[in-house]
Amino acid sequence: DTGVSQDPRHKITKRGQNVTFRCDPISEHNRLYWYRQTLGQGPEFLTYFQNEAQLEKSRLLSDRFSAERPKGSFSTLEIQRTEQGDSAMYLCASSFGAGETDTQYFGPGTRLTVL
Amino acid sequence: GQNIDQPTEMTATEGAIVQINCTYQTSGFNGLFWYQQHAGEAPTFLSYNVLDGLEEKGRFSSFLSRSKGYSYLLLKELQMKDSASYLCAVMDSNYQLIWGAGTKLIIKP
Repeated sequence: DTGVSQDPRHKITKRGQNVTFRCDPISEHNRLYWYRQTLGQGPEFLTYFQNEAQLEKSRLLSDRFSAERPKGSFSTLEIQRTEQGDSAMYLCASSFGAGETDTQYFGPGTRLTVL
Repeated sequence: GQNIDQPTEMTATEGAIVQINCTYQTSGFNGLFWYQQHAGEAPTFLSYNVLDGLEEKGRFSSFLSRSKGYSYLLLKELQMKDSASYLCAVMDSNYQLIWGAGTKLIIKP
């Protein structure tokens, strides 16, 4: 297993455009998380999936953000009508979801720059 | 509210020992994690504590006191490659990770 992968690694877009990111978790992991991180801060939770079900979404998350995990494997995160404040590192993590030792393993992240 | 506190930045010398503290106030507790994050990269898992006491993994050790809402990460025999941010995260009663802002560790020769 090669770990969590994310694509693209970098994305530069103009304000108002839509962007979509992909995450492929570790194959046997059934939980998948999306986070956003800005410089000097810890990861900020966005949403997470248990298999294909989206179980929680941050109350701070704008309606412009949507995530899917259609077959319980890879996931996509879409941001519509991007704003400059969306510029950040978008991190995906996966875990086995076995309860108490639910260690999350992160992908390399997608760095988004909105001009 | 939920809160994780850790120092913003620390400096240490190559070959020395450094202790990075973390205090937390969360709604429930299902374990505390430490992650290492090099600049521009994703966090990498270092350690997990759910019971009081010390967990040792090579040059790195992590301690937990649940009654005090306190943990520390101890790094021994510091190497230049240990220069990174160290993130403390607590799993709350909903099994969600609450993250600190991270401690930037600078290693000097």
